[in-house]
Order: sequence, then C-alpha cells, then structure tokens
Amino acid sequence: DQQVKQNSPSLSVQEGRISILNCDYTNSMFDYFLWYKKYPAEGPTFLISISSIKDKNEDGRFTVFLNKSAKHLSLHIVPSQPGDSAVYFCAARDAGGTSYGKLTFGQGTILTVHP
Amino acid sequence: KAGVTQTPRYLIKTRGQQVTLSCSPISGHRSVSWYQQTPGQGLQFLFEYFSETQRNKGNFPGRFSGRQFSNSRSEMNVSTLELGDSALYLCASSLAGGYVYEQYFGPGTRLTVT
Repeated sequence: DQQVKQNSPSLSVQEGRISILNCDYTNSMFDYFLWYKKYPAEGPTFLISISSIKDKNEDGRFTVFLNKSAKHLSLHIVPSQPGDSAVYFCAARDAGGTSYGKLTFGQGTILTVHP
Repeated sequence: KAGVTQTPRYLIKTRGQQVTLSCSPISGHRSVSWYQQTPGQGLQFLFEYFSETQRNKGNFPGRFSGRQFSNSRSEMNVSTLELGDSALYLCASSLAGGYVYEQYFGPGTRLTVT
C-alpha cells in the first residue's frame, strides 16, 4: 500500500522554464512534508519542507505547495537550471500512534533540465 | 561537521550469506534510520533507532535487523541473503527521533547479491 505516490517517473524541462513535481498521499495522519534531491552515488539531500498547517513555503527558486483537501503537494522550481537535474523524492512524516515520526517516501521523479 | 558515513560503500555477497552494514551519524545526532532503495520503489523504511532503542519499524521480514550503540553508531544486519535484497541501503541521522524535521543521509552501501 503506497501511502506516498509520485506518479511521474520522469520529467524533462528546458533551462529557464518552470519544473513542477507532484506528489499525492493517502494518510491523513501525515503532518509534515519534505522534498529531497538525490544525485547518483550520493545520499538524498534535504531541499525544502512544509508543515500541514501551511499551504505554501518558499526558499529561493524552490516553492512547495500543499493542498490538504486534495492530499496533494507539489514542488516548483523556477527558473530551472541544468544543475537541478537529479531524482526528487517527496516524503511525509507520520503523526499517528506508534508510527509517530516515521518518514514515508515516494518512488521518486527523475528531473532532467536541458540547456 | 562531518556528515553521515556508511561502510562499506560497495559489497558483493552470495545468496544465503549474511551481511552487516555500518552507519556513523553526524556528531550529536541520536536518531538513525535505515532505508532500502530499489529502482521504482523509492526509499523503503526499514527501521529507526533512537538512544539504542528501536522506535519504528517498516514492513520487512525478520531477516533484517539492526542495533544502535551508545555512541549512536548503528549497524544493520541481513541474514540469509536473497537476490531481491540487492539494493542501495541508506542510513540517515537526525537530532531527535519522533521530531524529525529533516534527516541527513549518508552516501549509502550498494549491496549486490549473486
């Protein structure tokens, strides 16, 4: 049972344009959401996060939007740069019962930014 | 501050063998989580240790086990290896378990089972 889903395995974008990565979740006990970026041969690195009490968080070129009613979050990268090419994972923190604090990750989306 | 380190980085084992992977968290971090990454499956949570106690556990068989030492270093053990255990094993540390705002990942151990 995949509680966090990234339905697009890959995304290709032109340099300078906007990249939009999407993530859906099913567990209403998730209270905190994070995005990680992963380059080959490296571990994931934290990018940006958002609490469930907010609907938007911005950090430079990166903005995360949360739609709680739709159980959907998205990561916007504007403008996209070739160095942004990586695998992006969304993750959700469980605030429920014995699973409190556990992070559940999506399958990842491979972003390719073409010069 | 040194990052999360994992040893070894690469490992080749045969079916039926067992393997132990090691993770040293960032200094001061008391929580260590382990994940398995396979193509198309993303990061699958294995377990989390905090102050030498397992706090959370994922849906993996009992062949997968772990422990944490008093210096917060953690080991993960897989017994009776199967071909499907071939994966990248990542550990991540954070300041305190249960209040995870962000985890810091190591580079991973690439395990190949033949």
